[in-house]
Amino acid sequence: GDSVTQMEGPVTLSEEAFLTINCTYTATGYPSLFWYVQYPGEGLQLLLKATKADDKGSNKGFEATYRKETTSFHLEKGSVQVSDSAVYFCALSLMDSSYKLIFGSGTRLLVRP
Amino acid sequence: DTGVSQDPRHKITKRGQNVTFRCDPISEHNRLYWYRQTLGQGPEFLTYFQNEAQLEKSRLLSDRFSAERPKGSFSTLEIQRTEQGDSAMYLCASSLTGVRAEAFFGQGTRLTVV
Repeated sequence: GDSVTQMEGPVTLSEEAFLTINCTYTATGYPSLFWYVQYPGEGLQLLLKATKADDKGSNKGFEATYRKETTSFHLEKGSVQVSDSAVYFCALSLMDSSYKLIFGSGTRLLVRP
Repeated sequence: DTGVSQDPRHKITKRGQNVTFRCDPISEHNRLYWYRQTLGQGPEFLTYFQNEAQLEKSRLLSDRFSAERPKGSFSTLEIQRTEQGDSAMYLCASSLTGVRAEAFFGQGTRLTVV
């Protein structure tokens, strides 16, 4: 069935380090892909999305490229800040009429000063 | 627009009791989704509404769970005869209809069954 797999955390980085969080997916058809972020005590916020192959989503310095050939949507940021500490979820949206989201298990990022 | 709001934010209940959660979506959104998130996991889809019609229910939604969205506005999720395994964060999201529509999430209701 449709699923999302992302790297386990926590990922611990020093401020200004380069970030990569891996995400791969299994889906029938061509889903839309998303990264959501969850800060402590808050709900999920959409960080970025891509709706077709080779699209690059970007927001707040984060980027991810929809790679159909490798079924991947890895999240990257060139220089992380302490304020980026959160849990990041990769997700796909099915191309049926529900558009419901299927999430990965989340990756916790800790950024130290 | 105040976004998606959920009430209560936290609920502690004894096993066997019934609980009800409320979600108020963004006013113009016709889609409303319920998800459940257990500790260390990503959210899992439970059910969704298009206006007042409940169009799909996950197999995760046992007979003890019921959801409504009267008049296509707010929604309620009721759990009857709660079990310890029901302890989780219950998230509500709303959106417009369409493949490019963004889902906006509420802050969730954390349920603890003791």
